[in-house]
Amino acid sequence: KAGVTQTPRYLIKTRGQQVTLSCSPISGHRSVSWYQQTPGQGLQFLFEYFSETQRNKGNFPGRFSGRQFSNSRSEMNVSTLELGDSALYLCASSLAGQTSTDTQYFGPGTRLTVL
Amino acid sequence: AQSVTQPDIHITVSEGASLELRCNYSYGATPYLFWYVQSPGQGLQLLLKYFSGDTLVQGIKGFEAEFKRSQSSFNLRKPSVHWSDAAEYFCAVGAYNQGGKLIFGQGTELSVKP
Repeated sequence: KAGVTQTPRYLIKTRGQQVTLSCSPISGHRSVSWYQQTPGQGLQFLFEYFSETQRNKGNFPGRFSGRQFSNSRSEMNVSTLELGDSALYLCASSLAGQTSTDTQYFGPGTRLTVL
Repeated sequence: AQSVTQPDIHITVSEGASLELRCNYSYGATPYLFWYVQSPGQGLQLLLKYFSGDTLVQGIKGFEAEFKRSQSSFNLRKPSVHWSDAAEYFCAVGAYNQGGKLIFGQGTELSVKP
């Protein structure tokens, strides 16, 4: 079974631009979560989508948004990029997003650099 | 609110030596606890998880962890470290009413001396 894939793997943008990152979950998984990883703040939860609905949201500004499609693929968008948005963005998928019963599988991440 | 603390930012052990990585959590009810490993340039791989039952949990790659409610701890152990274990290790906590959301500790970077 193919793992979680994320595209692109690397991205360079300039301040003020917007960016869209994509995540394809493992086949059959309906929950996709997004995390931001930086040296200073570590791994922080952005949001979770389940069956095309946002189910949980972390403490990030509205510039960060996401969506999930009917095939469970998910995208996250960051508008008006700031230097501090430079990070590794990880997505994780699981069957139903219940941490009590499911295992979350992480993708390799997208490395975003904002200049 | 949930939180996870990994007191050790960086640990160095000799190959063949035993390893213990510390993790303390804060959560009002019984938490769901996880250890993940991240190699450079890679995503996170699940080593083991605890939901309930036996407090000593076995994972992949020879790792184990023990849940101690009285100490709010979930320390990761390995009896004999291999050079390939050098990586960053993350402890995480989840909750039954928060879907797939995980709260991660800051991570412990493990270096292995030959």
